[in-house]
Amino acid sequence: GDSVTQMEGPVTLSEEAFLTINCTYTATGYPSLFWYVQYPGEGLQLLLKATKADDKGSNKGFEATYRKETTSFHLEKGSVQVSDSAVYFCALSDAGNTPLVFGKGTRLSVIA
Amino acid sequence: GAVVSQHPSRVICKSGTSVKIECRSLDFQATTMFWYRQFPKQSLMLMATSNEGSKATYEQGVEKDKFLINHASLTLSTLTVTSAHPEDSSFYICSARDLFRETQYFGPGTRLLVL
Repeated sequence: GDSVTQMEGPVTLSEEAFLTINCTYTATGYPSLFWYVQYPGEGLQLLLKATKADDKGSNKGFEATYRKETTSFHLEKGSVQVSDSAVYFCALSDAGNTPLVFGKGTRLSVIA
Repeated sequence: GAVVSQHPSRVICKSGTSVKIECRSLDFQATTMFWYRQFPKQSLMLMATSNEGSKATYEQGVEKDKFLINHASLTLSTLTVTSAHPEDSSFYICSARDLFRETQYFGPGTRLLVL
């Protein structure tokens, strides 16, 4: 079945450092790919998405490019802030009403 | 953007009582909603898929008689934890799929504590 693998955390960075969180997937079809963010004590918020190969999703300085050849959707941000501290989930979705398939989440801590 | 609400956000109850959690899609219709459970510092565990007008589909290992799901309208699904016990204490999150936007949106979660 479909699966998502993302890098193990926790990740600790200094403010203004460059962030990469790796995410790879396996899927039988052509899924849409997502990054969700969960701040402490809250639900998940959609951060960005890409629905087809070579699409780049971006939001709040975060970016991820749908790479079909490497089955990857790595999350990047050029300069992280303390307020970016959260858990980040990579996910995929096939067409229709199937549930999202999540990675295990990566906890990011940014220190001043 | 699309919004999914959950109510209540936090509930404390005595062991043996039942608790109902509501999930609403506020600006789109959702024929399908999903209920998840999240343990501390872990990923989300899908409990069931809630289908409007029909029975929910439960994941393996989830007791359907304990976690009752009703999806009576295109904007509302409810999860009732029946005869709650301390081991049911958890963070419950619902989500709804917006087919037009091809995106699944999540509610803010409900933290349940059973004493």
